[in-house]
Amino acid sequence: KAGVTQTPRYLIKTRGQQVTLSCSPISGHRSVSWYQQTPGQGLQFLFEYFSETQRNKGNFPGRFSGRQFSNSRSEMNVSTLELGDSALYLCASSPQDGPLGYEQYFGPGTRLTVT
Amino acid sequence: AQTVTQSQPEMSVQEAETVTLSCTYDTSESDYYLFWYKQPPSRQMILVIRQEAYKQQNATENRFSVNFQKAAKSFSLKISDSQLGDAAMYFCASDGGSQGNLIFGKGTKLSVKP
Repeated sequence: KAGVTQTPRYLIKTRGQQVTLSCSPISGHRSVSWYQQTPGQGLQFLFEYFSETQRNKGNFPGRFSGRQFSNSRSEMNVSTLELGDSALYLCASSPQDGPLGYEQYFGPGTRLTVT
Repeated sequence: AQTVTQSQPEMSVQEAETVTLSCTYDTSESDYYLFWYKQPPSRQMILVIRQEAYKQQNATENRFSVNFQKAAKSFSLKISDSQLGDAAMYFCASDGGSQGNLIFGKGTKLSVKP
C-alpha cells in the first residue's frame, strides 16, 4: 500500500495570508490526525477526523480548521497566518476501527514558512 | 492535563552498545497505549514500539525493548546493539485513552558514534 502523502511538501506564505494543506491517508484508513511540530513547542495535536467528522480537537485557535472528505482525504486550513505558524505540519492516518492503540502512520510533513 | 516527559534532550551511544531512553507520563485513564516513535533527519515519523497499559509483559521488537512500570508511570526504551541508522530523534507518546490524539514528549536526540 502507498503511504500517507502530504502536499505540498514546502510552502512559503506571508503574514495575513491563508493556507490549505492536504493529506491523503493510507487506503482503507478512516482516521486522519494533524500535528504541528515546532522546535519550541514540540509535537502538538491539532485535530482528528474520522469518517468526515471531527472527533478530537487540540488547543489551537479557531484560525486552524480542517475537514475530511468521503474518500478520507483531509485538508487543513490556517487563516490569517502569523509568524508563529511556521512549522512542520504532520498528518497521520490510522484504521481506528475498534479499540485504542492503533498505530498512526505519518506522512512526510509539510514545511510551512511564514514571512 | 495529560503529559509526557522526556528528561534527556540528548543522548549518545557507541555503536554496538546499549542505550536507554527515559520517559514518564501522566494520565488518569485506566486503559491506554504508549508508543516510541523515531524521527530521522528525513523527518518521517516511524513507530518503533507500542505497549498496551494493561499488559504487564514488556513489549519487544528486535533490538528495541521497553521497561514499562505502570505504577511509576515510566516507559523507557532500550536499544541494544546500537547501529548508525538508529541515530534520530526519539519521541515517547501516549494516546491517553483517546483515539486519534497522541501526546508527545519533547524528544531525545540520539547520536551513535562509530
